[in-house]
Amino acid sequence: EAGVAQSPRYKIIEKRQSVAFWCNPISGHATLYWYQQILGQGPKLLIQFQNNGVVDDSQLPKDRFSAERLKGVDSTLKIQPAKLEDSAVYLCASTPSGGNIQYFGAGTRLSVL
Amino acid sequence: GDSVTQMEGPVTLSEEAFLTINCTYTATGYPSLFWYVQYPGEGLQLLLKATKADDKGSNKGFEATYRKETTSFHLEKGSVQVSDSAVYFCALSDRDNQGGKLIFGQGTELSVKP
Repeated sequence: EAGVAQSPRYKIIEKRQSVAFWCNPISGHATLYWYQQILGQGPKLLIQFQNNGVVDDSQLPKDRFSAERLKGVDSTLKIQPAKLEDSAVYLCASTPSGGNIQYFGAGTRLSVL
Repeated sequence: GDSVTQMEGPVTLSEEAFLTINCTYTATGYPSLFWYVQYPGEGLQLLLKATKADDKGSNKGFEATYRKETTSFHLEKGSVQVSDSAVYFCALSDRDNQGGKLIFGQGTELSVKP
């Protein structure tokens, strides 16, 4: 079974530029999560989708971050414009319906200069 | 709100030493508890879990017991190997078995020397 796929693995941009990350969850997994992991800290949830609907986006900085999950499968997370403090690893995870084990992708490491 | 506190690292041990990584939590409900491991250059992997009080999760020689009375979920291993070197995260799920978000501790880096 293929795992959670994320791309790109690494991205370097300058502040005020925009960037997008892509995630393809495990086939059939209804719930998809985006987490932000700042160096030296544990991951923090940005947004949770159930199929193509948002369940929790209370920690998403909506003035600059956006995410979508069209058709309830893959998802895109965008930052526009980026700030220095957005430098982090962005992790995508998925869970099957009714399950509580989250399966994580390898993440996208973002450096904002 | 719910939170997880982990023992600070880094922790450095010799091969075959005993490992304990402390984890305590604060939660209003009855969360499920998890240990995830992150090997260098890789994503988070579930190591073990427990879903109710007194449950013991175990995997690859690691164990942790869900202690409701002390709100703890300490990770233990009797004899560590160099290959156990990684960052370990304690986490809770904020909704019982309903796919709620994970709330993580800050992580504990373990380095095992030969």
